[in-house]
Amino acid sequence: DQQVKQNSPSLSVQEGRISILNCDYTNSMFDYFLWYKKYPAEGPTFLISISSIKDKNEDGRFTVFLNKSAKHLSLHIVPSQPGDSAVYFCAASAGTNAGKSTFGDGTTLTVKP
Amino acid sequence: SQTIHQWPATLVQPVGSPLSLECTVEGTSNPNLYWYRQAAGRGLQLLFYSVGIGQISSEVPQNLSASRPQDRQFILSSKKLLLSDSGFYLCAWSIWPSSYNEQFFGPGTRLTVL
Repeated sequence: DQQVKQNSPSLSVQEGRISILNCDYTNSMFDYFLWYKKYPAEGPTFLISISSIKDKNEDGRFTVFLNKSAKHLSLHIVPSQPGDSAVYFCAASAGTNAGKSTFGDGTTLTVKP
Repeated sequence: SQTIHQWPATLVQPVGSPLSLECTVEGTSNPNLYWYRQAAGRGLQLLFYSVGIGQISSEVPQNLSASRPQDRQFILSSKKLLLSDSGFYLCAWSIWPSSYNEQFFGPGTRLTVL
């Protein structure tokens, strides 16, 4: 049973437009949600996060939205830049779970110039 | 600042051979440490995590084992590799408790078992 799902394996957008990456989860115990960005042959890097007590967190061009009732979160990148092209992983963790996170399978974002 | 090292970067091993991947963290004390595997086109599968020296929790039954002989050293091992052990292995650390449970990843090891 995959507890964190990213249903879109890939997304292609034009430079300057908005990129929206989606993530769904099933475990209601998750209370922290994170997005990581990964370039080929490198480890993922932490991008942005949100706790379950919020519905929005913004950091520059990146905004994460959380809809707890739908068990859905999304990452918005505005405006998208070619350097944003990477694999984006959604992750979720429960506060009592020793820092372990459950990751989705990732969405490959391609931003075309 | 904190740094995480993994080696080797790439490894090609025959089936049945042993494996040892090493991960070290600098600039922090008593981190939580994690080993993940990423199969081709898939997400990150947590293999092991450790909250302290000698404390290892296994997340999935498999052909691998992990050890933490020192506070900032985490080792992934196998006595006999299988073809299915091929993948991209990532070590990560975090501070527990933390604000958002964010983890910091090493550069990874690409393992190919032939």
